[in-house]
Amino acid sequence: QKEVEQNSGPLSVPEGAIASLNCTYSDRGSQSFFWYRQYSGKSPELIMFIYSNGDKEDGRFTAQLNKASQYVSLLIRDSQPSDSATYLCAASSNFGNEKLTFGTGTRLTIIP
Amino acid sequence: SAVISQKPSRDICQRGTSLTIQCQVDSQVTMMFWYRQQPGQSLTLIATANQGSEATYESGFVIDKFPISRPNLTFSTLTVSNMSPEDSSIYLCSVMQGWKGYTFGSGTRLTVV
Repeated sequence: QKEVEQNSGPLSVPEGAIASLNCTYSDRGSQSFFWYRQYSGKSPELIMFIYSNGDKEDGRFTAQLNKASQYVSLLIRDSQPSDSATYLCAASSNFGNEKLTFGTGTRLTIIP
Repeated sequence: SAVISQKPSRDICQRGTSLTIQCQVDSQVTMMFWYRQQPGQSLTLIATANQGSEATYESGFVIDKFPISRPNLTFSTLTVSNMSPEDSSIYLCSVMQGWKGYTFGSGTRLTVV
């Protein structure tokens, strides 16, 4: 069974600090990884994806992938209250037409 | 990114009845995915819908309970049949758009009473 695991939180971070969200996956065949943000009552929206080992930066967000350790993380720099949401990690075995397996999500709260 | 119109946005249904959820995409896509998100939980894939073939269901989900149609490359429906309170969830359709990732519809919030 393919599993994606996240710490459910809640994770509280002061405004302006770095929020670090972690995710592990069990299927070594997983090739691509996605971070989604979901506000309460809304559908998930894609923040970024990563499929190569190392770091990928997009504005205040940095995704990190370590395939040897089967570990994915998302860093949010200069955290803002608007970043308060549930963050979902997802994995896919094929970057293309392939289903996603989601983690349970981490609830992040940015404290003003 | 693709724009996905999903309806209804919410509904309250009596147990034993059925509800059909529609998902319309503004561009042609090969595969459409239907997910369920139970209260306070993450997303669970129900099935993958390909145009011109039967949907592929995940473990724990069966066609009799969740029949899916995919008549063309821009449209799909999911029916939740013979509903019980345990079916109360948010149902989401999703499409994959290459490097743009997966896009979700706005969801259907279903309450079964």
